[in-house]
Amino acid sequence: AQSVTQLGSHVSVSEGALVLLRCNYSSSVPPYLFWYVQYPNQGLQLLLKYTSAATLVKGINGFEAEFKKSETSFHLTKPSAHMSDAAEYFCAVSEGGTSYGKLTFGQGTILTVHP
Amino acid sequence: GAVVSQHPSRVICKSGTSVKIECRSLDFQATTMFWYRQFPKQSLMLMATSNEGSKATYEQGVEKDKFLINHASLTLSTLTVTSAHPEDSSFYICSWGRGETQYFGPGTRLLVL
Repeated sequence: AQSVTQLGSHVSVSEGALVLLRCNYSSSVPPYLFWYVQYPNQGLQLLLKYTSAATLVKGINGFEAEFKKSETSFHLTKPSAHMSDAAEYFCAVSEGGTSYGKLTFGQGTILTVHP
Repeated sequence: GAVVSQHPSRVICKSGTSVKIECRSLDFQATTMFWYRQFPKQSLMLMATSNEGSKATYEQGVEKDKFLINHASLTLSTLTVTSAHPEDSSFYICSWGRGETQYFGPGTRLLVL
């Protein structure tokens, strides 16, 4: 079984400040890990993914995430927040194999960016 | 990224009626697609996995006779909520798999009165 825990349902940062959204996972096999962003009343957009290649993954809009197996973490960061980054962010895990593509999502973190 | 469409984007219906939601992959073909639902202030929960030409596999707690999935082709799938009730009100989102990545539709917001 797999699970995802996102620490902090709400994160608030100032424009230009560092963004750090935390994600810890549990998986019985080497996982595939994803970060998605959801804007109000819209579907999910893929930010980045880890699929057992480089542990530091760069995504769109200046976001990146680092896979740390020892910590079972996949935290999302961005050096400088922009107002347009305000949205809800979901971390997700897939185990591959026969469960390939089936995603288990975390609870989501709402990011607020204030001027 | 890949483009997935859903129709309608929003629907309001009376209790007891059936609602059909259409999901299309516009720029790639895939054998496998997924249906999720998202209740207010909650995360997405997988409802079912659908493979073209086969019966869908439903997650525990999801009634297959209530949520009918028709996966007619490699680019089209429909979800029919039969005899909808207010507790079925939710945000329904489809996704298509390409490799290890899911591409999500914009979602359909269903409100059952």
